Amino acid sequence: QKEVEQNSGPLSVPEGAIASLNCTYSDRGSQSFFWYRQYSGKSPELIMFIYSNGDKEDGRFTAQLNKASQYVSLLIRDSQPSDSATYLCAVISSGTYKYIFGTGTRLKVLA
Amino acid sequence: GAGVSQTPSNKVTEKGKYVELRCDPISGHTALYWYRQSLGQGPEFLIYFQGTGAADDSGLPNDRFFAVRPEGSVSTLKIQRTERGDSAVYLCASSLNGGGTDTQYFGPGTRLTVL
Repeated sequence: QKEVEQNSGPLSVPEGAIASLNCTYSDRGSQSFFWYRQYSGKSPELIMFIYSNGDKEDGRFTAQLNKASQYVSLLIRDSQPSDSATYLCAVISSGTYKYIFGTGTRLKVLA
Repeated sequence: GAGVSQTPSNKVTEKGKYVELRCDPISGHTALYWYRQSLGQGPEFLIYFQGTGAADDSGLPNDRFFAVRPEGSVSTLKIQRTERGDSAVYLCASSLNGGGTDTQYFGPGTRLTVL
């Protein structure tokens, strides 16, 4: 079982719709969870982090964390073609400062 | 500096050769990370420095890989006897203090191709 799992996609949504990206993790002791965006040929950039169960909103982005289900998601409201990228979920393993990344989900927002 | 920089941006080498990849973190950042990213995969953790010391090198795949950060700033990732399977983008990231509450800032990466 991979430590951090994501559906590789592509996930296609029409412009203006809500894109929902999901991630599961295996280390129940993980405390910190991150969403990065990576455009093709570029390096990852942080979108959001979340530490507590529940929702965290930042502009068009909402991160949701459910530690009991070992599940973290990212919602993108009013999706734009410029949101088309690969979205990487990352988790810090318990007791370490080691970031474990998923394989990423490729999002396509259709104009 | 304004951001994390990495040199070279591209490196082509022959199997069996030695390569060095350099990372200049954001000024004042004590934490520095090296990752390797293959096509279609997420970044794979290699090593984490806190200051001059390697706090976690559990991701280095074998003893051909070594990294240093002698003055707590610039870091060099060294790969001996390169193999074709080492071909990937090597990413460096830095953060202010390290730990789960810090934001990592990634450099542009070095694309290594081993022929």
